[in-house]
Amino acid sequence: GIQVEQSPPDLILQEGANSTLRCNFSDSVNNLQWFHQNPWGQLINLFYIPSGTKQNGRLSATTVATERYSLLYISSSQTTDSGVYFCAVGYNDMRFGAGTRLTVKP
Amino acid sequence: DAGVIQSPRHEVTEMGQEVTLRCKPISGHDYLFWYRQTMMRGLELLIYFNNNVPIDDSGMPEDRFSAKMPNASFSTLKIQPSEPRDSAVYFCASKDSKRDQDTQYFGPGTRLTVL
Repeated sequence: GIQVEQSPPDLILQEGANSTLRCNFSDSVNNLQWFHQNPWGQLINLFYIPSGTKQNGRLSATTVATERYSLLYISSSQTTDSGVYFCAVGYNDMRFGAGTRLTVKP
Repeated sequence: DAGVIQSPRHEVTEMGQEVTLRCKPISGHDYLFWYRQTMMRGLELLIYFNNNVPIDDSGMPEDRFSAKMPNASFSTLKIQPSEPRDSAVYFCASKDSKRDQDTQYFGPGTRLTVL
């Protein structure tokens, strides 16, 4: 099946810093989503982005489907951004990456 | 509209007991998914339904696991008998395939501990 790799596995930032999270996938996809799992375990949709670029406040995402990767940008990070960020690819049989654990320190 | 609702939120049981997890999808959604999250295996899809019909159960780990969707607003995931290695967080998700964006919405999860 399709392989999904995320990097880095862990990231520690000071509040206010910017970061880039990467998701590589092994085959062409028609669906890619980014999720944030907060410290309470809730999975929250960030972006549905099979291709192109989207922005939502301090977060933006870019998927280059032809090169099989997606990037999630977090600007001016806040402590509430802490948690694990997952990318997931696939239509119904969605495959998740192992996630990037982000810790934002005050 | 309320999101995906799961119950119970926490379940502690002893090995060999039957466990039933419940899910109410978002109203109007025609797909329902069950996932399991563990430290070792991450998030993995167990089974999904379309219009109450099971479509792909290839992720169900063993015959001890079964899932049903008797109507559009309710689904169960049952483990019988439960084993300690079933301890995990089980998520239910739903989506509306009629929308342009193929987005799955997740419930809060059920944390299962099998002693």
